Amino acid sequence: QSALTQPASVSGSPGQSITISCTGTSSDVGSYNLVSWYQQHPGKAPKLMIYEVSKRPSGVSNRFSGSKSGNTASLTISGLQAEDEADYYCCSYAGSSTQVFGTGTKVTVL
Amino acid sequence: EVQLVESGGGLVQPGRSLRLSCAASGFTFDDYAMHWVRQAPGKGLEWVSGISWNSGSIGYADSVKGRFTISRDNAKNSLYLQMNSLRAEDTALYYCAKDNQQWLSTRVDYWGQGTLVTVSS
Repeated sequence: QSALTQPASVSGSPGQSITISCTGTSSDVGSYNLVSWYQQHPGKAPKLMIYEVSKRPSGVSNRFSGSKSGNTASLTISGLQAEDEADYYCCSYAGSSTQVFGTGTKVTVL
Repeated sequence: EVQLVESGGGLVQPGRSLRLSCAASGFTFDDYAMHWVRQAPGKGLEWVSGISWNSGSIGYADSVKGRFTISRDNAKNSLYLQMNSLRAEDTALYYCAKDNQQWLSTRVDYWGQGTLVTVSS
């Protein structure tokens, strides 16, 4: 159960697209289509943005999209907006009723 | 409106025990799996434990296995986390979180505001 690896920070200008990677292993990300992404603003509880690799919960902007290839999942934010500035965490099922979060990525809107 | 209200946090000495509770309302509690997720000050999220709707499926992070026990009382709409042999590295804000499914998944759709546990002598 090692934490999934994410870049510490990603930045972009308003209107641009950015992609956050989430690298795991064949025991977690690579084995299950059960990857979620959460957004967390400072001092707030996390918010579900993507589940099952690429599905969006009701109410989440379609500017957020997810994908997976092998042991790496990705979250893309298109048309970057100021309110997207936050920390983002991926999470994957890891077998035996366990799951593991990523190390987290701070997104900065320049 | 879904509400998850954690309680039971506080300052505790290393090696001692603490029991966290989470009172749930605004949804049919026994229809959903539940989780505990923690966040150390200034650090990232760490999944701690999860329990299915009927307590038939339970999982723990390696970091807490053998020390923490998750349970639920569907009659009381409550989730619990018994934490024994606490260590300094258990210091964190502990979130109670609702799964979107009956069985454990990574689709957690509601979170409480957390209860702070500080382990220090």
